[in-house]
Amino acid sequence: AQTVTQSQPEMSVQEAETVTLSCTYDTSENNYYLFWYKQPPSRQMILVIRQEAYKQQNATENRFSVNFQKAAKSFSLKISDSQLGDTAMYFCAFMKQRGRRNNDMRFGAGTRLTVKP
Amino acid sequence: NAGVTQTPKFQVLKTGQSMTLQCAQDMNHEYMSWYRQDPGMGLRLIHYSVGAGITDQGEVPNGYNVSRSTTEDFPLRLLSAAPSQTSVYFCASSYSGQSYEQYFGPGTRLTVT
Repeated sequence: AQTVTQSQPEMSVQEAETVTLSCTYDTSENNYYLFWYKQPPSRQMILVIRQEAYKQQNATENRFSVNFQKAAKSFSLKISDSQLGDTAMYFCAFMKQRGRRNNDMRFGAGTRLTVKP
Repeated sequence: NAGVTQTPKFQVLKTGQSMTLQCAQDMNHEYMSWYRQDPGMGLRLIHYSVGAGITDQGEVPNGYNVSRSTTEDFPLRLLSAAPSQTSVYFCASSYSGQSYEQYFGPGTRLTVT
């Protein structure tokens, strides 16, 4: 079974600075998808960024970018110019390529990020 | 579009009681899932469905039942609640295309005493 590990339970960063959240995963699959979800205090799960394993280019979404190292099974999230609204739990998630009866997304334990003014 | 809706938002049960958590989506998504979120453990998949009439077990299915009679609805049933089922429950849906993005409901906080 696939496992996802987030080794940083809590992190903090000063407003306007850059922070990197770590994620590693374990799989024998070659085709899969990786995600970072944000969960603010409202509890709503919000997709931040997505990476397809077959793409070598790292995904970016505005201030959010990833460093995807397929051989190392590493998928870190970099947040640039941190804002107070970035304060949230961040979850790394893995899903192997979907078969006819597969919809199994695995999550890490999460990293609680606090952005300080 | 309302997206994914869940009811109720909060619920308190006594041990042994049964209840159904409701989930509905209006995006015509084929895939739907139920997760539970516990402190320090992230989200864990309980059951999922890849279409009406088709359901499968996830990582932690014991104590829960599901059915999928329509594309829109995917209720989660607790047959005999236990304190270990105290958790926040999320329903999610996704399109069968290649984006794989899951759209989450607002969650239900369940306490079993």
